[in-house]
Amino acid sequence: DGGITQSPKYLFRKEGQNVTLSCEQNLNHDAMYWYRQDPGQGLRLIYYSQIVNDFQKGDIAEGYSVSREKKESFPLTVTSAQKNPTAFYLCASSPAGTGRAGELFFGEGSRLTVL
Amino acid sequence: GIQVEQSPPDLILQEGANSTLRCNFSDSVNNLQWFHQNPWGQLINLFYIPSGTKQNGRLSATTVATERYSLLYISSSQTTDSGVYFCAVDPTGANSKLTFGKGITLSVRP
Repeated sequence: DGGITQSPKYLFRKEGQNVTLSCEQNLNHDAMYWYRQDPGQGLRLIYYSQIVNDFQKGDIAEGYSVSREKKESFPLTVTSAQKNPTAFYLCASSPAGTGRAGELFFGEGSRLTVL
Repeated sequence: GIQVEQSPPDLILQEGANSTLRCNFSDSVNNLQWFHQNPWGQLINLFYIPSGTKQNGRLSATTVATERYSLLYISSSQTTDSGVYFCAVDPTGANSKLTFGKGITLSVRP
């Protein structure tokens, strides 16, 4: 089935450790996105990528890094520089890759808890 | 940047009731989406609706782009409709970035 797969679904990390969240899509979408959601809040954009080997900072990129080496994959690394990393992380993809945000489809999310 | 306001913030319904959820935005947009976030956190696409009206079963949505608002109608609500409803807009001039509202929390009681 076509879709977006995020892993792991739940992750615990000690302070000071980097952690990488995986996002894979088989929808042949050009654009991919990472959002962060805090309890009771909306979604905030961390990074997005419209084409392979290119990505842009979103509204809250500090403390995060990404790569886009393959069209299907857009991993997010939460670094130790991120001061408050405990959150729900959502990956999305869209068929639009030419400057417009087309229809977005989301994965199931990864819940990160820093101990 | 564009402001997206959703109302009401919270809504409690008795099963079988109808409801209207509203999304106002402060600037012109290229498109608008409605999502339902289920209790497990996943966001489900409901409508991709830059303008006009669309219907899908008990749900329908209307976007009036010239007046900068969208409405999501839920008829004959069911307990499975509970969750958080988000609207997200793609502002004209912005580059591939959707802006989300804070969401409307809906609880449907049996």
